Amino acid sequence: GAGVSQSPSNKVTEKGKDVELRCDPISGHTALYWYRQSLGQGLEFLIYFQGNSAPDKSGLPSDRFSAERTGGSVSTLTIQRTQQEDSAVYLCASSLVFGGAREQFFGPGTRLTVL
Amino acid sequence: DQQVKQNSPSLSVQEGRISILNCDYTNSMFDYFLWYKKYPAEGPTFLISISSIKDKNEDGRFTVFLNKSAKHLSLHIVPSQPGDSAVYFCAARSNSGGSNYKLTFGKGTLLTVNP
Repeated sequence: GAGVSQSPSNKVTEKGKDVELRCDPISGHTALYWYRQSLGQGLEFLIYFQGNSAPDKSGLPSDRFSAERTGGSVSTLTIQRTQQEDSAVYLCASSLVFGGAREQFFGPGTRLTVL
Repeated sequence: DQQVKQNSPSLSVQEGRISILNCDYTNSMFDYFLWYKKYPAEGPTFLISISSIKDKNEDGRFTVFLNKSAKHLSLHIVPSQPGDSAVYFCAARSNSGGSNYKLTFGKGTLLTVNP
């Protein structure tokens, strides 16, 4: 498919474990964004990449969260020592160019449940 | 503090009638507003947007109105169709501090259109 894909679609983990969430952006999109949606909340911006660089990491909730992007394509969001409050849907979006907010195309998300 | 507020968690309308979804914001630096539509198990999809220099933007059955003095925008869907049933998110972008990539979302309104 030509859209943004994310894997896994669902992840259940135990408190204290590490998890990796993957995002495959639309081919050719240079900008990539991570958001999360906790229960009953709106989407919360986490981090964005322009190419492989992440100039603004201020949205990451804690130092247990990290993200990387390689080859200007796939991105991985890693959560170490997961906590129950990390349970949420993690959404990835990409855009052809940086800064074009309405051009962000979202993936289906990864639903993370921390027991 | 929530900068984008959607005070109605849900809305139910009859097919063929008008749906009006409301959104309020507090940040006067927001200069671009968007509505996204989200079906279950899918990522949000862009619906319509409006720049702060305008007070109305229309696209088919969808019209967004912006009242800057009241810091209020609304999405009108006329006529409403059962396929419009989804969660609608209001989002805003600030052009200050080089943060025009970051979207701030409301919590969403679940629209149900009854046949």
